[in-house]
Amino acid sequence: GQQLNQSPQSMFIQEGEDVSMNCTSSSIFNTWLWYKQDPGEGPVLLIALYKAGELTSNGRLTAQFGITRKDSFLNISASIPSDVGIYFCAGQRKLVFGKGTKLTVNP
Amino acid sequence: NAGVTQTPKFQVLKTGQSMTLQCAQDMNHNSMYWYRQDPGMGLRLIYYSASEGTTDKGEVPNGYNVSRLNKREFSLRLESAAPSQTSVYFCASSSSGDSGGYTFGSGTRLTVV
Repeated sequence: GQQLNQSPQSMFIQEGEDVSMNCTSSSIFNTWLWYKQDPGEGPVLLIALYKAGELTSNGRLTAQFGITRKDSFLNISASIPSDVGIYFCAGQRKLVFGKGTKLTVNP
Repeated sequence: NAGVTQTPKFQVLKTGQSMTLQCAQDMNHNSMYWYRQDPGMGLRLIYYSASEGTTDKGEVPNGYNVSRLNKREFSLRLESAAPSQTSVYFCASSSSGDSGGYTFGSGTRLTVV
């Protein structure tokens, strides 16, 4: 089956730092999605990417759809405590999820 | 504006017991999904229903059955629960299976002892 490799698995950062995480696959996807999951909640869509090379921003979040269509990156600038959570990448179809990046922000 | 509603939120079962997890969406979405989330494993697809009247196996279907009761509701059944099925279960829906993101419920935390 399709596999997504997401890294890093966890991050401990200081408030105000920038964050980068990425997702790679052996398969090509037509859509890449980034989700955030808060404790005790279901994942919530942050950004959706539909074209190779596409760079999309949502506030302090920026995500890119890799040229090869086999990878994607998510950047968070100037992190704040409410950024804490688990971030998942997902490739379309019937969403295949990465294993998640657990982000901890120290105030 | 409820979105995707899952019940129950928490459940403890004894090995061998059966139960049904309920999911309903009010967004008129065609496709619905059941995922399980285990530590370090991300979300893995159990079953999905691309449209009313159809269901298909996902990555980890063994030990589960599903029913797409109507367009709104998609239930997941454990006929004989096993400790390996201890997990957090998420239901999701989307307007079309192959485009756009999914909307997730808030999860059902199931413990099998």
